Amino acid sequence: KAGVTQTPRYLIKTRGQQVTLSCSPISGHRSVSWYQQTPGQGLQFLFEYFSETQRNKGNFPGRFSGRQFSNSRSEMNVSTLELGDSALYLCASSILAGDKETQYFGPGTRLLVL
Amino acid sequence: SQQGEEDPQALSIQEGENATMNCSYKTSINNLQWYRQNSGRGLVHLILIRSNEREKHSGRLRVTLDTSKKSSSLLITASRAADTASYFCATVRLNRDDKIIFGKGTRLHILP
Repeated sequence: KAGVTQTPRYLIKTRGQQVTLSCSPISGHRSVSWYQQTPGQGLQFLFEYFSETQRNKGNFPGRFSGRQFSNSRSEMNVSTLELGDSALYLCASSILAGDKETQYFGPGTRLLVL
Repeated sequence: SQQGEEDPQALSIQEGENATMNCSYKTSINNLQWYRQNSGRGLVHLILIRSNEREKHSGRLRVTLDTSKKSSSLLITASRAADTASYFCATVRLNRDDKIIFGKGTRLHILP
């Protein structure tokens, strides 16, 4: 069974631009969660989607948004990029909504904002 | 604020030695998990211990949980070069919103 895939793996943007990251969960997994990892703040939860609905959200500004498609693939979008948005963005999938015991993480997308 | 805090922040040991990492947290939890991350890549789930368990083993890993002290430890025995990675504890809080909260991690370096 293929693992969680994230595209692109690396991205360079400039301040003010927007970016869209993609995550394909493991086949059969309907829950996708997104995390931001920075050296200063560590790993922080962004949001979780299940069956195309956002069911949980972390403490991030509205510039961070996401969506999930009927095939469970998910995208997250960051608008009006700031330097502080430079981070590794990880997504994780699980079978059940709210399942934080059996999450499978993708390799991440490393975003650099210049 | 971070729920889990790992200690030490960084650890270097000789191959073959045992490595111990600690995690402290602040609120009551449902379970505590340990993850490994190699060089800025995705996280790999290592082991989960529930709040009513005190110790758990998986291969060369041994995890303990002391809910009275709100702390956990991860012991890796007979370390190998491939164990070089960052290790994170993560807690799922009791009766709270399903969110999982990660600590900032311990960077473990195994010296040949």
